[in-house]
Amino acid sequence: GAVVSQHPSWVICKSGTSVKIECRSLDFQATTMFWYRQFPKQSLMLMATSNEGSKATYEQGVEKDKFLINHASLTLSTLTVTSAHPEDSSFYICSAGGHNEQFFGPGTRLTVL
Amino acid sequence: GNSVTQMEGPVTLSEEAFLTINCTYTATGYPSLFWYVQYPGEGLQLLLKATKADDKGSNKGFEATYRKETTSFHLEKGSVQVSDSAVYFCALTLLNFGNEKLTFGTGTRLTIIP
Repeated sequence: GAVVSQHPSWVICKSGTSVKIECRSLDFQATTMFWYRQFPKQSLMLMATSNEGSKATYEQGVEKDKFLINHASLTLSTLTVTSAHPEDSSFYICSAGGHNEQFFGPGTRLTVL
Repeated sequence: GNSVTQMEGPVTLSEEAFLTINCTYTATGYPSLFWYVQYPGEGLQLLLKATKADDKGSNKGFEATYRKETTSFHLEKGSVQVSDSAVYFCALTLLNFGNEKLTFGTGTRLTIIP
């Protein structure tokens, strides 16, 4: 089946720094990728929809200047958490649309100290 | 708007017990329905899906039937194993083309005791 990877799988950073998370579709091209955030023992919250070659569409309440999304190619989307703070600590999951289905990455655990 | 309601967990069962996790939905139009499973520390994996009324999705001994009349998509398994311990999410999308966002339920944590 289709494979989506994320890098890094976990990251610890200091408050105020920026962190970039990569999402790659390894064996298919994805015009659309999605970024989700998951809090402990809770469901996934869609943050934004990333379309190749155009600006991302953010869900209501998500700060576009804080969570920068770039979808530069059909196999790569990046999420940059700018000026991270402890409240940004979470599990970030991406998915890529393809073959009439969404395929999920394994997630990235971000801890901001 | 669209929404998915799942039975609240956690659910704890003994090995070989029968499992049902309820899921109902509200949607404008005719959604496709999904069950995803998340094992500890991992991302989501598609477990099964159904794209139209009366369809039955099945995989790894799990089944769910798309019931339009009751707007439900309950997940069942006849005999659970310890390896089934995970969080299960019911979800829907209005267009099954992979490029439309999914609406998720809150998830149900399942623990199977040997």
